[in-house]
Amino acid sequence: DTGVSQDPRHKITKRGQNVTFRCDPISEHNRLYWYRQTLGQGPEFLTYFQNEAQLEKSRLLSDRFSAERPKGSFSTLEIQRTEQGDSAMYLCASSPPTGAGANVLTFGAGSRLTVL
Amino acid sequence: DAKTTQPNSMESNEEEPVHLPCNHSTISGTDYIHWYRQLPSQGPEYVIHGLTSNVNNRMASLAIAEDRKSSTLILHRATLRDAAVYYCILRASPVSGTYKYIFGTGTRLKVLA
Repeated sequence: DTGVSQDPRHKITKRGQNVTFRCDPISEHNRLYWYRQTLGQGPEFLTYFQNEAQLEKSRLLSDRFSAERPKGSFSTLEIQRTEQGDSAMYLCASSPPTGAGANVLTFGAGSRLTVL
Repeated sequence: DAKTTQPNSMESNEEEPVHLPCNHSTISGTDYIHWYRQLPSQGPEYVIHGLTSNVNNRMASLAIAEDRKSSTLILHRATLRDAAVYYCILRASPVSGTYKYIFGTGTRLKVLA
């Protein structure tokens, strides 16, 4: 098991373009989170999936952001019409459904977005 | 969302113990206390968590005040590899309708050789 994988690691785009990030969680983990982190700040919650169901979404998430987890495995986070303020590290985390690890998040290394 | 308060930064000498404090006066009875750390250019990494009793694992110890309004993460012998930002997080029980972990700005720990 290689942990939580995120792709791409870095993305530079022009304002107004759409971008999509992919997260592959640890295989037996049914819980998946997306966070956003800007420089000098802690990670900010964006959304949570349990299997394929999106159970929680931050009120801070504008309608330009959408996340999916169609088969309960990998997830995608799409940002439409990117703005410079979207420049950040986008982090994905997963955790298993039961057991001692159920409360433990394993994070990926993140996808860094730069909007020019 | 319940809030946590941590010092912005702390310093420690290598090989000495480090006590990282966290205040969470608005904690509710079912909130778990979690600690994560983030090394430069990496995602956060789990350190330890607990509810009421003190907890120990191979990385650290967690001391929880009796009234649960504060906690302390203890690194028994700091090494240079422990230099990171340490986040104290309250995680509400899902029965409250939320699943999120709320990160604050954390404590940046500097370890001096």
